[in-house]
Amino acid sequence: SQQGEEDPQALSIQEGENATMNCSYKTSINNLQWYRQNSGRGLVHLILIRSNEREKHSGRLRVTLDTSKKSSSLLITASRAADTASYFCATDGETSGSRLTFGEGTQLTVNP
Amino acid sequence: DTAVSQTPKYLVTQMGNDKSIKCEQNLGHDTMYWYKQDSKKFLKIMFSYNNKELIINETVPNRFSPKSPDKAHLNLHINSLELGDSAVYFCASSQRGNYEQYFGPGTRLTVT
Repeated sequence: SQQGEEDPQALSIQEGENATMNCSYKTSINNLQWYRQNSGRGLVHLILIRSNEREKHSGRLRVTLDTSKKSSSLLITASRAADTASYFCATDGETSGSRLTFGEGTQLTVNP
Repeated sequence: DTAVSQTPKYLVTQMGNDKSIKCEQNLGHDTMYWYKQDSKKFLKIMFSYNNKELIINETVPNRFSPKSPDKAHLNLHINSLELGDSAVYFCASSQRGNYEQYFGPGTRLTVT
C-alpha cells in the first residue's frame, strides 16, 4: 500500500450536503496537507495541519488529525457544485525534508 | 502573472523520440519539483532542486534528466520515450521552510 491512502475513492453527494474524506498514512509525519485538483488542472493547496495539532478550520473546510491512528479527515461543509474535484492528502516526515508523499485521492462529485 | 507555468500543455510524440518540458516560477521560491501523475491519478515525486542543486532523485530511469539553469527554472528532458512514459507531468515550487507547494497546470505527455 502507498503512504497516504484516501477513502472513499469516489464520493457523490448533493449540493448543500457535507462531504467527508479520510486519509491514512504509515510513518511518522511532521505535517499533513490537503490539496484539491480540478479536472485537467494542477493541484491547489487547501490546508496544512501540523503533527501537534488535532483540528484546523479554513472557511468551509475542517481538517482533523489523529496521529495515534495515523489518519486525517477533511470535511467540506455545505458543498457546492464548484467543489467537484479530486482531493489528495500529502505528508512529509522527519527524514523526508520537503518531499511530499501523496495519497491516491478521493474524487468528489457535487450534484446541483 | 502566472505563478508556476509549464510548456507545452500537451505533447504527443512517437516512441524513441526525445522531448523536453519547461517550467518557470515567478514566486521567488528556491525549491522546485517534478511529479508524474499516472492514469489513476497517483502522484509521485521524481526530482527536486534547491537553488539549482539536485536534492531529491527518486528511482527514475536515467532517460529522464532534469536541468535547472537558475532557481526560477526547472526543465525536464526525456530521451528515448516509451509508451509507459505517457502521463501528466507537474512542476511545483515551494519556499524553504514552508511545506506548501504551488503546482503548475501540468503537461499531458502521450507517447504513441
